[in-house]
Amino acid sequence: EVQLLESGGGLVQPGGSLRLSCAASGFTFTNYAMGWVRQAPGKGLEWVSAISGSGGNTYYADSVMGRFTISRDNSRNMLFLQMNSLRAEDTAVHYCAKIPHPSYYMDVWGKGTTVTVSS
Amino acid sequence: ERVMTQSPATLSVSPGERATLSCRASQSVNSDLAWYQQKPGQAPRLLIYFASTRATGIPARFSGSGSGTEFTLTITSLQSEDFAVYYCQQYNNWPLTFGGGTKVEIK
Repeated sequence: EVQLLESGGGLVQPGGSLRLSCAASGFTFTNYAMGWVRQAPGKGLEWVSAISGSGGNTYYADSVMGRFTISRDNSRNMLFLQMNSLRAEDTAVHYCAKIPHPSYYMDVWGKGTTVTVSS
Repeated sequence: ERVMTQSPATLSVSPGERATLSCRASQSVNSDLAWYQQKPGQAPRLLIYFASTRATGIPARFSGSGSGTEFTLTITSLQSEDFAVYYCQQYNNWPLTFGGGTKVEIK
C-alpha cells in the first residue's frame, strides 16, 4: 500500500524557519516526482513545489520562490521542504503528494502537517 | 499562469440526482486536467486525470469530459458519500494551478 506521512509542522514566529518531512512507502520512490500542496484555513488548494524523481529538477510557486527549498533523499525514501522567512500567509496544512511523472497531477496524498506562523 | 475558474461555487443537489461541475482555464491546457474530491478534515483524493480517465477505485458514476479550456465533472446519482468539495487542477504548464473549488451540498 502506498503511504505518505508528513511531519515537522508546528508553530513558528514570522521570519522563522521550519523543515517539513514526508516519509514514503509502498512504491519505488525514485521512479516518481513528488510535490507539496498547501491549504490555508477555510481556503482552497495551492500548489507549492515539486521535484523530479532524480531530484535534478525543482519547481516553485511564485509565492514561495527564494524562501522555500524542496529536496529528496532517494536512499531513505524521504521528501523535504525547507521553509525560511515564514510569513503569516504561509499558515496552512501542507500535504505531500506523489506525482506520476511526466504528468504532474497528484495521485496519492498524505494526511498533511499543519504549519502556523504567528507571534 | 493558467487561471482555473470553477463554477458554481456551491451546488445543492438531492441524493440520487445528477451533479454537473464546471472548470474553465484561462488558456488551453489541452487534456492535462485532473479532478480531486476533498471531504472535511481529509486530504484530497484523485478522481480523474487526463480530463476523462478515472483513477483507480473511483466509481463509474464519476466522469470527466472536455479539452482545451472547458471541462466538466459529472456525478450521476449522487450518493451520501459524494457530498464534498471538488477541485480541478491543470498540469499543462508551470506553475501548477488549482481552481477555487465547488462545494456539493445536500439539497
